Amino acid sequence: AQSVTQLDSQVPVFEEAPVELRCNYSSSVSVYLFWYVQYPNQGLQLLLKYLSGSTLVKGINGFEAEFNKSQTSFHLRKPSVHISDTAEYFCAVSEESGGYQKVTFGTGTKLQVIP
Amino acid sequence: NAGVTQTPKFQVLKTGQSMTLQCAQDMNHNSMYWYRQDPGMGLRLIYYSASEGTTDKGEVPNGYNVSRLNKREFSLRLESAAPSQTSVYFCASSPGPYYGYTFGSGTRLTVV
Repeated sequence: AQSVTQLDSQVPVFEEAPVELRCNYSSSVSVYLFWYVQYPNQGLQLLLKYLSGSTLVKGINGFEAEFNKSQTSFHLRKPSVHISDTAEYFCAVSEESGGYQKVTFGTGTKLQVIP
Repeated sequence: NAGVTQTPKFQVLKTGQSMTLQCAQDMNHNSMYWYRQDPGMGLRLIYYSASEGTTDKGEVPNGYNVSRLNKREFSLRLESAAPSQTSVYFCASSPGPYYGYTFGSGTRLTVV
């Protein structure tokens, strides 16, 4: 069975500093990996995804993530955060199962950007 | 382009009451999903519909039923609400496993 672990429930970081949000997964088959962002009182929005190919993927709002198969990780990074990046971030792993997309979400990491 | 539309946005129910949460998407997606979000637990799948005319249970289906009315609409029904169903409910849709989900803005449900 697939699972996703987000190691940090909250990450405070000063504005313009770099940030890394950690995600580890487990799965017995090939997977697709996603990061979503949730702003207060809104639904989740897709930030980026890894399907195959280059292990470094770029997403919206200057975020990027690196897929590491040997460490089963998919950490999210941004070199310089802004106040507007304050939100909750969810890592998700997807595998195809019987023609549908079986997705497991992590428990989320709240990014707090400090002015 | 509205994406995924959920109604209502907020609802308060008394224990034992019933209600239906509505979800509609205008992107011609085949798959639709209902999740609940609770603090510290991430998102948990209640039911999904891989295509029009099919529905299946997810991780936490007890106390819920669903209807895939047509390709656009996927409703979630609580027959007899319980305080444990107090949560934020999200509907999502997807064209396939490579694309990720498009989420609605959620329904915040309180059962008292």
